Amino acid sequence: SQKIEQNSEALNIQEGKTATLTCNYTNYSPAYLQWYRQDPGRGPVFLLLIRENEKEKRKERLKVTFDTTLKQSLFHITASQPADSATYLCALGPYSSASKIIFGSGTRLSIRP
Amino acid sequence: KAGVTQTPRYLIKTRGQQVTLSCSPISGHRSVSWYQQTPGQGLQFLFEYFSETQRNKGNFPGRFSGRQFSNSRSEMNVSTLELGDSALYLCASSFPGRRRLSRSNQPQHFGDGTRLSIL
Repeated sequence: SQKIEQNSEALNIQEGKTATLTCNYTNYSPAYLQWYRQDPGRGPVFLLLIRENEKEKRKERLKVTFDTTLKQSLFHITASQPADSATYLCALGPYSSASKIIFGSGTRLSIRP
Repeated sequence: KAGVTQTPRYLIKTRGQQVTLSCSPISGHRSVSWYQQTPGQGLQFLFEYFSETQRNKGNFPGRFSGRQFSNSRSEMNVSTLELGDSALYLCASSFPGRRRLSRSNQPQHFGDGTRLSIL
């Protein structure tokens, strides 16, 4: 069955360092992959989308890579700040609008001052 | 532009009751999806509606149902509530692209959810 895993439940790093989160998947051929941020008590907020034919996408301090051979996406936050502390979710998207998006369970990122 | 609005924000029910949750999507968005989020299972897809038609359905029992109105607003209903239905229910809307296949890669815009507690 389709499976999507995010590397760890929680990640704790020092302010100013680069945070790297991992999303692995099996039994799926996604057309694209999305990353979302979720704060406690709030709904997820869309951050970035990367298509299966793209290797890398950047947006300000965020960078996403997508390796369809390894079936893996890496999400980087450079120069991390305490305000970046949140849960980050990856989601795999299908080619067809008749199929559904699948979400990972998320990684809780904590940036300590 | 107003975001996705879900009502109510919090709800307490007892086993056996039924509940209806409401979602108003972003203006112009015609696709509405519903998710259940729990600490143990993460974000689980319930169903998606597009132009008043259910387009996709997740692996939930028939007690979970939904509908979409002509103004794209959506409701989901859960009947015969069980303790395990306690969760955060999230609604997300997206803007369909002009081409059919491009509909599938649009970002989803989530509401802040309805926190349902079953006693």
